Amino acid sequence: QKEVEQNSGPLSVPEGAIASLNCTYSDRGSQSFFWYRQYSGKSPELIMSIYSNGDKEDGRFTAQLNKASQYVSLLIRDSQPSDSATYLCAPQPNTNAGKSTFGDGTTLTVKP
Amino acid sequence: GAGVSQSPRYKVAKRGQDVALRCDPISGHVSLFWYQQALGQGPEFLTYFQNEAQLDKSGLPSDRFFAERPEGSVSTLKIQRTQQEDSAVYLCASSSIRVGYGYTFGSGTRLTVV
Repeated sequence: QKEVEQNSGPLSVPEGAIASLNCTYSDRGSQSFFWYRQYSGKSPELIMSIYSNGDKEDGRFTAQLNKASQYVSLLIRDSQPSDSATYLCAPQPNTNAGKSTFGDGTTLTVKP
Repeated sequence: GAGVSQSPRYKVAKRGQDVALRCDPISGHVSLFWYQQALGQGPEFLTYFQNEAQLDKSGLPSDRFFAERPEGSVSTLKIQRTQQEDSAVYLCASSSIRVGYGYTFGSGTRLTVV
């Protein structure tokens, strides 16, 4: 079992719809959780971080965290074609020498 | 600088050749990470520096891989006697020392071994 599991997709949604991206992780020591967006041929870009159970909203993006279930998700409201990318989930331990472990990502396509 | 700078952007190496990949992190970011990303997969951890100290090199796939950051700023990832399986994108990322900060990635170096 991989440390970080994401549905590989591809996930396809129509423009204006809600896209839901899910991630489960195995390391209970994970304390910080990050979502990165990676456009084809580009490097990952940090878009959301969440540290506490519950929801965190930033514009059209909402991250949800449930540490008991070891589950983190990303919701994208009013999806736009420009949101088409691969989304990487990356938990990180709360230590001074912590490194993020990345999932393989979910590829999202938003159709006009 | 304003962002993480990596060079070269692309590198083609003949099998058996040595290569050196450079990373210049964001000024003031003491944490520096190297990742390897194969097509269709997420980044895989290689090694981590805090200033000049290499705190974790557990992800380096073999003793042909070596990384250094002698003055706590620029880092170099060296691959000796390259093999075809080394072909990948090598990503460098830097981060604030404060725990729980995410990464800023460089543009990556795409290495192709022929």
